[in-house]
Amino acid sequence: AQRVTQPEKLLSVFKGAPVELKCNYSYSGSPELFWYVQYSRQRLQLLLRHISRESIKGFTADLNKGETSFHLKKPFAQEEDSAMYYCALGRQGGSEKLVFGKGTKLTVNP
Amino acid sequence: DAGVIQSPRHEVTEMGQEVTLRCKPISGHNSLFWYRQTMMRGLELLIYFNNNVPIDDSGMPEDRFSAKMPNASFSTLKIQPSEPRDSAVYFCASRITGTSQFFGPGTRLTVL
Repeated sequence: AQRVTQPEKLLSVFKGAPVELKCNYSYSGSPELFWYVQYSRQRLQLLLRHISRESIKGFTADLNKGETSFHLKKPFAQEEDSAMYYCALGRQGGSEKLVFGKGTKLTVNP
Repeated sequence: DAGVIQSPRHEVTEMGQEVTLRCKPISGHNSLFWYRQTMMRGLELLIYFNNNVPIDDSGMPEDRFSAKMPNASFSTLKIQPSEPRDSAVYFCASRITGTSQFFGPGTRLTVL
């Protein structure tokens, strides 16, 4: 069964500090991992997709198959990064279904 | 493109009433998803359609919930009768094969 664990419900950092949002997954097949971001009372937006290996808004995430992790990182957090972050897991090759973690609420303090 | 469109944006109803949520996916997308978001359970997939056909409805909580997709540009999620525990934000998302999911703005449902 597919499972996504985001161990931190809340994460608070100061502006300019590094931030890491943790995501671990459980899946026997070839995974495809995503990070979605939801700003206050807005729709979820795709932030990163592991196969594209992009850096968006300064965020990066590396898929570590050995540790079954896909942690989201940013070296210098900004106040506008405050949002809810969801890690999601799908099957590589185009499976329709995504399983989402419960989310981590990031607060970046001035 | 306006993106995924959902209506209404807010719905307040009384227990026992029927509630219908609507979704218009992005034109050309062939998959549509309905999610429910609550503080306690996070984001849960309720059902998804591929080419208008329901593929997986294992997340639908009970028979009070039903979803339809009569054509490629419209889907409904119906709750009948509604209960206070159904209060949540309901998101619709769509995608075309090979891309990520695009989410709508959500419908905030309150059942009194």
